[in-house]
Amino acid sequence: EIVLTQSPGTLSLSPGERATLSCRASQSIDTIDLAWYQQKRGQAPTLLIYGTSSRATGIPDRFSGSGSETDFTLTISRLEPEDFAVYFCQQYGGSPLYTFGQGTKLETK
Amino acid sequence: QVQLQQSGPGLLKPSQTLSLTCAISGDSVSSQSATWNWIRQSPSRGLEWLGRTHFKSKWYSESAISVRGRITIIPDTSKNQFSLQLNSVTPEDTAVYYCARAQVENFDYWGQGTLVTVSS
Repeated sequence: EIVLTQSPGTLSLSPGERATLSCRASQSIDTIDLAWYQQKRGQAPTLLIYGTSSRATGIPDRFSGSGSETDFTLTISRLEPEDFAVYFCQQYGGSPLYTFGQGTKLETK
Repeated sequence: QVQLQQSGPGLLKPSQTLSLTCAISGDSVSSQSATWNWIRQSPSRGLEWLGRTHFKSKWYSESAISVRGRITIIPDTSKNQFSLQLNSVTPEDTAVYYCARAQVENFDYWGQGTLVTVSS
């Protein structure tokens, strides 16, 4: 099983600041197989980034993704009030077919 | 625009069978470019992929080892929906259950979620 470890567990920042979220895989994965989701309280996750760096439809360009092999990053360039939520990374392939990280909570400082 | 609408009971007793349905609009359960998935989320297990069904000349189903032997995912082409059945539930199966569409590597549309509680 490919385990995804996200850090930090909680990130406290203010609107306007830059957020950098990390996702580390227990083994190398193809860049096409790494995605990021945002989840707000009481809602289903929403796809933000797929294929490591491609924004999903309607996602603003302040969200960007990067990385390769075992280290991946989600960056939010300037935080807006609606960005404070929980973020998950997810990989495809192996067994089980899909696994998720445990999440990073982005909270207002 | 694809929409997934979940339905099914939210309270079960141990040993009962969990049954949820996901009705699809804006796409087809028989689409050969999509898979139809069930995912659950709990504080103890996080987000956990359970299984999927998809059609590529014939019907396929795959499931996670953690629930294999207890899970069935059934497509219903007449109603354009798919269902989850999970047998012999225990309190550890308490979670929010989601259906979701995937186009291979990631989940682009999700249902609204159903909280399922297993308690005697």
